[in-house]
Amino acid sequence: GQNIDQPTEMTATEGAIVQINCTYQTSGFNGLFWYQQHAGEAPTFLSYNVLDGLEEKGRFSSFLSRSKGYSYLLLKELQMKDSASYLCAAMDSNYQLIWGAGTKLIIKP
Amino acid sequence: GAVVSQHPSRVICKSGTSVKIECRSLDFQATTMFWYRQFPKQSLMLMATSNEGSKATYEQGVEKDKFLINHASLTLSTLTVTSAHPEDSSFYICSARDGTDTGELFFGEGSRLTVL
Repeated sequence: GQNIDQPTEMTATEGAIVQINCTYQTSGFNGLFWYQQHAGEAPTFLSYNVLDGLEEKGRFSSFLSRSKGYSYLLLKELQMKDSASYLCAAMDSNYQLIWGAGTKLIIKP
Repeated sequence: GAVVSQHPSRVICKSGTSVKIECRSLDFQATTMFWYRQFPKQSLMLMATSNEGSKATYEQGVEKDKFLINHASLTLSTLTVTSAHPEDSSFYICSARDGTDTGELFFGEGSRLTVL
């Protein structure tokens, strides 16, 4: 079956670095997405990886290993506004997104 | 990036009534839109894929007659929750792709439905 696993909750300190991991199993693969979702709001796009390696975009970076079915989202210089849920989603061979349950990130001063 | 607008953002209705939620792509044409529902502290659950000019494709377990989807134009899809009941209270979100290679999804703002 198709499955996405990511931690339920993580806590980090303002100014620090945090890595959110995601493992996936899908029927075929057409890319891995990370979305940020603040409580009560719709998700917003953060990153898309389809090739192995690290994609850096400002304070956020995303990594993909297709052979391992593994991705991570790296957040640097954490700010209080980064407190949100981070959703990992893999696109299968039918271009359907399989969503993880999300990782709630709590930032402490 | 592309913009998807969803309306209304919040709606409260009485049990037994019907509620319509609109999803519009403002600056691109969307042949396909997706409707999700999300319960508190849970992930997005795909309800159906809305196809312009044809019937929607519903996910297993989603009642077609209860959640009516109409995609009459390339910029508008509607979800109607018919005979709503308190258990239908949820956060409903639509999304669409703009046709670029990344397959990035653009989401509407979401609609929070509360059925009394």
